[in-house]
Amino acid sequence: GENVEQHPSTLSVQEGDSAVIKCTYSDSASNYFPWYKQELGKGPQLIIDIRSNVGEKKDQRIAVTLNKTAKHFSLHITETQPEDSAVYFCAASMSEKLTFGTGTRLTIIP
Amino acid sequence: GAVVSQHPSRVICKSGTSVKIECRSLDFQATTMFWYRQFPKQSLMLMATSNEGSKATYEQGVEKDKFLINHASLTLSTLTVTSAHPEDSSFYICSAVAGGPAFYNEQFFGPGTRLTVL
Repeated sequence: GENVEQHPSTLSVQEGDSAVIKCTYSDSASNYFPWYKQELGKGPQLIIDIRSNVGEKKDQRIAVTLNKTAKHFSLHITETQPEDSAVYFCAASMSEKLTFGTGTRLTIIP
Repeated sequence: GAVVSQHPSRVICKSGTSVKIECRSLDFQATTMFWYRQFPKQSLMLMATSNEGSKATYEQGVEKDKFLINHASLTLSTLTVTSAHPEDSSFYICSAVAGGPAFYNEQFFGPGTRLTVL
């Protein structure tokens, strides 16, 4: 089955700086790669996703890049703000079932 | 759009009792819903896949007789934790897949239910 690794597990960034979280996946058949933000005591919220037919997608301060050859994808958050502090999960899928990464706790330092 | 609700948000029960958690898609029909369990500071672990009108498919290691799943309609799935024990205490999260072309596999997550078994 699919295996998704995520790094780093924790990340502290000065407010205004950029944050990058990286994930690798094992199954080359995976074709859908979403990123979720989870705040304490809440369910995950989809923040951006990318499909295998594109290499990059951007939505305001958030961008995701995908390298299918290397089987890795990354989340980029620019101009970080305190409200970006949360746990972020990557996931990979070739069907409706998602395989999640282990999560990254992002802390934005004011 | 694509809102998923869960009820209750928090439940505390005594060991040996059963607890039912509801998952509803509020503004769309979901042919498939998923149930996850999340322990503190860990990732989401898929428990089962629930399809409307058919039996749920459980992941390896998940006891289907303990975690009963019913998907009676296109907007409602329920998870019943039977004879709950303290080790079942966890954060239970459901998700729903919105209808559309087969390659649209976005999952929309509910807010989660915190179960504490005393």
